[in-house]
Amino acid sequence: DSGVTQTPKHLITATGQRVTLRCSPRSGDLSVYWYQQSLDQGLQFLIQYYNGEERAKGNILERFSAQQFPDLHSELNLSSLELGDSALYFCASSVAMEDNTEAFFGQGTRLTVV
Amino acid sequence: AQKVTQAQTEISVVEKEDVTLDCVYETRDTTYYLFWYKQPPSGELVFLIRRNSFDEQNEISGRYSWNFQKSTSSFNFTITASQVVDSAVYFCALSCHTGGFKTIFGAGTRLFVKA
Repeated sequence: DSGVTQTPKHLITATGQRVTLRCSPRSGDLSVYWYQQSLDQGLQFLIQYYNGEERAKGNILERFSAQQFPDLHSELNLSSLELGDSALYFCASSVAMEDNTEAFFGQGTRLTVV
Repeated sequence: AQKVTQAQTEISVVEKEDVTLDCVYETRDTTYYLFWYKQPPSGELVFLIRRNSFDEQNEISGRYSWNFQKSTSSFNFTITASQVVDSAVYFCALSCHTGGFKTIFGAGTRLFVKA
C-alpha cells in the first residue's frame, strides 16, 4: 500500500459527460501529480500541484482541470468527455516540490467513456 | 528535449533465467534523475529505484541490479533468477532540471516469466 488513495477505482460514463477523480496523497506529501496512461500514448504527465499551487503542466487538455485543496487532497476534473479519454488515471504524491524524488502512486482510476 | 527509450516492448523468459531490461535516455541537462517503476497486473505503479546523474555507482538490491552508464546514456535493469512474480510492465523514467523536473516515462517493457 503506497499510502495514496484514489477514488473511484472504476468509472464508466458517456461521451459529453463530466467526471471528477479524487486523490488523497500520502501523509506529509505536499506534491500531487496526475498522470494519464493509455494504450496509444503510454504514461503521460498531466499536471502537478505543490501545497495548493499549480507547479507544472504537461500534456493536459483544456477540457481537463485540477486543483489541490487546503487539506492537500486533489481533484482532476474531466469534461466534455470523448471516447479517447478512456484511460487509467494515476495520482502520485511526493514530499518535494521538484519532481526528482521518489513518487508514490495510487492504484489509479480506470475511466471508460462509452 | 528529454526522451526515454525502452526498445524492448515485450520479453519472455523462463523462471530462473536472468533478464536485462534496457533503458536509454536523452537529455542535455547535467542534473537529472533516473527511475525504474514496476506495474504488476494489478495496475499500481511501484517505485523500484532512483539514481541521480552524479552517482554512477551500480546498485544491487536482492535479485535486482541496475547499471547506470552516462557514457552510453543508459540505465539498464537486470533481474537475476527471475520468478513468476516478476511478471509486470517495467517503466524507466527521467526527470530533468530543465522543465522543472517533470518526469518523462518510457513506453515500458512487458516482462513475462513462465514457470
